Amino acid sequence: KAGVTQTPRYLIKTRGQQVTLSCSPISGHRSVSWYQQTPGQGLQFLFEYFSETQRNKGNFPGRFSGRQFSNSRSEMNVSTLELGDSALYLCASSLTGGSGYGYTFGSGTRLTVV
Amino acid sequence: ELKVEQNPLFLSMQEGKNYTIYCNYSTTSDRLYWYRQDPGKSLESLFVLLSNGAVKQEGRLMASLDTKARLSTLHITAAVHDLSATYFCAVAPGGNTNAGKSTFGDGTTLTVKP
Repeated sequence: KAGVTQTPRYLIKTRGQQVTLSCSPISGHRSVSWYQQTPGQGLQFLFEYFSETQRNKGNFPGRFSGRQFSNSRSEMNVSTLELGDSALYLCASSLTGGSGYGYTFGSGTRLTVV
Repeated sequence: ELKVEQNPLFLSMQEGKNYTIYCNYSTTSDRLYWYRQDPGKSLESLFVLLSNGAVKQEGRLMASLDTKARLSTLHITAAVHDLSATYFCAVAPGGNTNAGKSTFGDGTTLTVKP
C-alpha cells in the first residue's frame, strides 16, 4: 500500500515569504502529526490533526499553522519565514493515534530559507 | 513538561558485539516508540511499547519498557554493519488523544565496524 506522501521534497524560500507543505497520509489513517527536525533542536512536535480538528499543539509560534481536510490530507503553513525555519519537516500518520497504533513517517520536506 | 533522555548519543561497536541503548523519560506515559533513521532519510518505525514489562523483538533488536522506572531499552545482539543508523526513542503523554504528540530523545548514532 502507498506510504505517507509529502510534497514538495525540497523548497528554497526567501526570508519573509510564506510556504505551504502538504502531507497525504496512508489511506484510512485519520491522525496526522507534524514534526520539525533540525541539527540543533532535534525532532520537535508541531501539531496533530485528527478528523479535521487540531488535537494537539506544540510550542511553536503562531506563524506555524496547519489544517486537515475531509480526506485526511494535511497541510502546514509557515508565514513570514525566518532563517531558523530551515529544517526537515516530517509528517506522520496513524490509524487513529490511539493506543497500539504506531506512526508511519513520510520522506519529509526539506525547507531552506535564504 | 515531558523530557526524554537517550544515552549514549554516539555508539561505535564491533560487528558481533552486543550493546544496549537507554531511554529515560520524565513523566507518566503509556506509549513509547523506537524509530530508526538512516542518513538523509525519514524515520522508520521499529517498535511500539504500550505496557509495563512489554518486550518486542525484531531480528537483532529487542526493546523493553519499564514504566515504573520510566525506562526503555533497545538491545542490539550480534551487531552487523546494516544496523548502522540513528535510533530515536519517542514518548507520548498518557491518554488516547495524546498519542500523536511525541517527545523525541536526541537520538543515538550507532556505527558498526567490521
